[in-house]
Amino acid sequence: EVQLLESGGGLVQPGGSLRLSCAASGFTFSSYAMSWVRQAPGKGLEWVSAISGSGGSTYYADSVKGRFTISRDNSKNTLYLQMNSLRAEDTAVYYCAKDRAAAAPPVVLDAFDIWGQGTMVTVSS
Amino acid sequence: EIVLTQSPATLSLSPGERATLSCGASQSVSSSYLAWYQQKPGLAPRLLIYDASSRATGIPDRFSGSGSGTDFTLTISRLEPEDFAVYYCQQYGSSPPVTFGQGTKLEIK
Repeated sequence: EVQLLESGGGLVQPGGSLRLSCAASGFTFSSYAMSWVRQAPGKGLEWVSAISGSGGSTYYADSVKGRFTISRDNSKNTLYLQMNSLRAEDTAVYYCAKDRAAAAPPVVLDAFDIWGQGTMVTVSS
Repeated sequence: EIVLTQSPATLSLSPGERATLSCGASQSVSSSYLAWYQQKPGLAPRLLIYDASSRATGIPDRFSGSGSGTDFTLTISRLEPEDFAVYYCQQYGSSPPVTFGQGTKLEIK
């Protein structure tokens, strides 16, 4: 079964740091770009960051650029999101998501066919 | 960045009726790289349609997508009770960034 399982969420003070993990199973992890998407309470979906299958290319939303770092360990089938300098507006459920297929250049990302269950990040003093 | 605008914000219909949801883009979506997702409370989004009109694996054929350029539509031919949820469109043709619409809530009338 294809599955993504996030962990690492929690309560953190403004200015603090947190690292999210996403464990993948049931597919060839290194063959697919992966993304993080977040959803603030009662709000819509916001793409946060993406990484190519090899890990050689990374992409960020302007709202997190310079504060968040995406990475992956293909030997462990795990995706990460290091979040620094957290703000109240980063409070959200964070989902990891798998690209449906390898995108055809120059397109970088595809639709997201598999999502994790989400992990809640709350930034508050 | 392509901005997606979904309409209506809320759609009230009865089971058995036909639902038509719209997604407009601020500029043309490259190669119709547009997807639709369904999200139920407390759950992750589920991919319904990709590349504007292709159904994802396991999605019933009452769901269909159409459109190109800047205007896209998700149609649910006959609403089942389990179809009442929030629906999002997403473009990935001009990515990054990937962008989502603000969502349409489909509620029971």
